[in-house]
Amino acid sequence: AQSVTQPDIHITVSEGASLELRCNYSYGATPYLFWYVQSPGQGLQLLLKYFSGDTLVQGIKGFEAEFKRSQSSFNLRKPSVHWSDAAEYFCALLPGSYKLIFGSGTRLLVRP
Amino acid sequence: NAGVTQTPKFQVLKTGQSMTLQCAQDMNHNSMYWYRQDPGMGLRLIYYSASEGTTDKGEVPNGYNVSRLNKREFSLRLESAAPSQTSVYFCASSEAGYRASSEQYFGPGTRLTVT
Repeated sequence: AQSVTQPDIHITVSEGASLELRCNYSYGATPYLFWYVQSPGQGLQLLLKYFSGDTLVQGIKGFEAEFKRSQSSFNLRKPSVHWSDAAEYFCALLPGSYKLIFGSGTRLLVRP
Repeated sequence: NAGVTQTPKFQVLKTGQSMTLQCAQDMNHNSMYWYRQDPGMGLRLIYYSASEGTTDKGEVPNGYNVSRLNKREFSLRLESAAPSQTSVYFCASSEAGYRASSEQYFGPGTRLTVT
């Protein structure tokens, strides 16, 4: 079955610290993967996407993600978190069609 | 460009009432989608329209109907609202639904409460 798992419901980091949000997927073929961010009361904004090629993908706002096929993972990273990064983050899988499959989300809290 | 717009932003309904959520996009996208977002469940696809003139059920279509009015507009109708439909509803669009590399752009959402 096709699915996306984000094992961390909440993560709290201090401002300036590094961040890694985990995402694991289940899909039998080459996946198309996305990370979206949702600020409170807002819609979803695309941070980055992986379709093929280089497994390290750069996105907006200083985020990057690494695709690891052997681990079925697509973890999101940022070297230094800013208070404005506090939001909910969703990993999503596009399994060769138009039906995006979302993880349940990880809420990021940033300590001053 | 406004991107994807949704109206209304907030709505409170009584059980059994009906209403239509409106969505429009100005990016000349072919495909449009309706999702609902519930705590701890991410977003789930209700209906989608791969191209003008076509609509199909997603993961959770029961209790909803849709209309692809034209290329720009895709509406979601609740014929008889139930408390289980209390949710945040998002509309999205993408350039070409049958092309897997097409990313989706989201509207700001409609927060619906059914009492």
